[in-house]
Amino acid sequence: GAVVSQHPSRVICKSGTSVKIECRSLDFQATTMFWYRQFPKQSLMLMATSNEGSKATYEQGVEKDKFLINHASLTLSTLTVTSAHPEDSSFYICSVWDTGELFFGEGSRLTVL
Amino acid sequence: GNSVTQMEGPVTLSEEAFLTINCTYTATGYPSLFWYVQYPGEGLQLLLKATKADDKGSNKGFEATYRKETTSFHLEKGSVQVSDSAVYFCALWSNDYKLSFGAGTTVTVRA
Repeated sequence: GAVVSQHPSRVICKSGTSVKIECRSLDFQATTMFWYRQFPKQSLMLMATSNEGSKATYEQGVEKDKFLINHASLTLSTLTVTSAHPEDSSFYICSVWDTGELFFGEGSRLTVL
Repeated sequence: GNSVTQMEGPVTLSEEAFLTINCTYTATGYPSLFWYVQYPGEGLQLLLKATKADDKGSNKGFEATYRKETTSFHLEKGSVQVSDSAVYFCALWSNDYKLSFGAGTTVTVRA
């Protein structure tokens, strides 16, 4: 199955700054990638579906101007948290659908001070 | 809409005990059902899946049967080990190409 890698695994930033998280599909050409957010001791919530070469599809309640998604190639999607605030602190996870299964990256833990 | 309701934890067991984590779902059509596991400090991994009614998924001693009549996909293991300590997520893949997760159940197995 697909191998998905995220970078960075952990990032700490100051309030008001922007942070970019990369998601790479290492051995699979992914036209679609999914971005999830996981709060402590809670489930994963789908934020958006990233489509290669076109605009991402955001779930209801997710601010598209806050969470910028770019899927410029079949192996890379990026999530940029703009003007981050402490409430944006969370675990962000990307995934790729391949042959009937979702494969997940290791996740990126964002802490906004 | 589609949703997954999962037994809340945390669950604490002794080694070799029997584990059951209940999962029920609401969905239109015929979804595929999954159990994912998240070990401490790691990402999510697929544990098992079932794509149609009466299918039984199994892996690493875990089993779950897709029951359409009760809209359930309960996870079971007959004899747990310390290494089974993890968070378990029930999930549903629906016709709108989205994976919906349950809340997750934290399982701790003590030696």
